[in-house]
Amino acid sequence: QVHLQQSGPGLVKPSQTLSLTCAISGDSVFSHVAAWTWIRQSPSRGLEWLGRTYYRSRWINDLAVSLKSRISINADTSKNQFSLQLSSVTPEDTAVYYCARELGNSYGYWGQGTLVTVSS
Amino acid sequence: DIQMTQSPPSLSAFVGDRVTITCRASQSISIYLNWYQQKPGKAPNILIYAEPSLQSGVPSRFSGSGSGTDFTLTINNLQPEDSATYYCQQSYSSPRTFGGGTKVEI
Repeated sequence: QVHLQQSGPGLVKPSQTLSLTCAISGDSVFSHVAAWTWIRQSPSRGLEWLGRTYYRSRWINDLAVSLKSRISINADTSKNQFSLQLSSVTPEDTAVYYCARELGNSYGYWGQGTLVTVSS
Repeated sequence: DIQMTQSPPSLSAFVGDRVTITCRASQSISIYLNWYQQKPGKAPNILIYAEPSLQSGVPSRFSGSGSGTDFTLTINNLQPEDSATYYCQQSYSSPRTFGGGTKVEI
């Protein structure tokens, strides 16, 4: 059974960097068939795909163009986890952030969600 | 980006009713359409993938149909536990995109 456990702060100051981690159990970040994804949800934007990282003989990152200058998603192979970093945050980045596994083109497993509030 | 448009935004129905939610893609996505159910405070839960495959463990009263740009999610014999918000999502191309959701009240 796959389990995704999110961790990271729930409050970030404007202009700082949001950092979240998603620990994987029951699968490997090196999977050749899965993609490790970050999605966020807010009342104003709904469900918004942020990006994914996956391994296909090399690491591939696929990121939302609208965030490309601010976002990075990285795998930590030693800890079997992946992370999200979003820099220069504003109150518009306030949302519930989810990690998820994409397999067979759908998201069958999700993290528990982290409400991140951007406020001074 | 492919835009996903759901309708209606919300609906109210009775136990035992049949309800239909529609999702339209801004371009053809073949069968690469997923449906999720989300309850308050929880992550979305996959119901149907690569339309119309039913996820294991999902009750058979849920069904999906469609291909190309127009898709429907049907819930037969609506049950109290089906009260939730339903989202469609395309997996045809990146970036993945979601519909705006349909809130079902019972």
